[in-house]
Amino acid sequence: ETGVTQSPTHLIKTRGQQVTLRCSSQSGHNTVSWYQQALGQGPQFIFQYYREEENGRGNFPPRFSGLQFPNYSSELNVNALELDDSALYLCASSLAVAGGNNNEQFFGPGTRLTVL
Amino acid sequence: GQQLNQSPQSMFIQEGEDVSMNCTSSSIFNTWLWYKQDPGEGPVLLIALYKAGELTSNGRLTAQFGITRKDSFLNISASIPSDVGIYFCAGQHSLDKLIFGTGTRLQVFP
Repeated sequence: ETGVTQSPTHLIKTRGQQVTLRCSSQSGHNTVSWYQQALGQGPQFIFQYYREEENGRGNFPPRFSGLQFPNYSSELNVNALELDDSALYLCASSLAVAGGNNNEQFFGPGTRLTVL
Repeated sequence: GQQLNQSPQSMFIQEGEDVSMNCTSSSIFNTWLWYKQDPGEGPVLLIALYKAGELTSNGRLTAQFGITRKDSFLNISASIPSDVGIYFCAGQHSLDKLIFGTGTRLQVFP
């Protein structure tokens, strides 16, 4: 069984640039969630993708967008980068089952984004 | 963004001691989860709880889902050096977002 993988591991960008982060879900999982973790904080929910559509969104502006592909992998795109976007970006995958009431999320190692 | 209240913020203990940390919320949750995060890594799921009052163990770890559904605790018995890390609680209302706590940083001295 393959766990959640993310790429790249580290990235440095400048203000105003755009960035794309990638995530491959754990085998057998159909749902991907993205989180932003600032230094010294707990992860903050950005959005979730299920069946290639956004399925819930946290308090993040529209310049944070995403995609999910038919193989359940996902991308997080951030436009017009700001200094405060510097953080660890975590992807988590899970298996959503119709009628189910639990959704254990398993995290990847994250992408460390630095905006200068 | 919203974060759950987690305490203590940090703990410095000797190897072999027991550890207890808890998490409280102003709203109820359907699921509570506990994660451990090492530096430079993503959080690793330790225990998931699905019913109010549920007590679940995973080796030396024991967690409980509070009866009010607004709190949870995690105990670690007989701590060892590899227990070092940051422990996060997370609550879940529905099948999307997890709301994380502020974290408890655990340091274990030999």
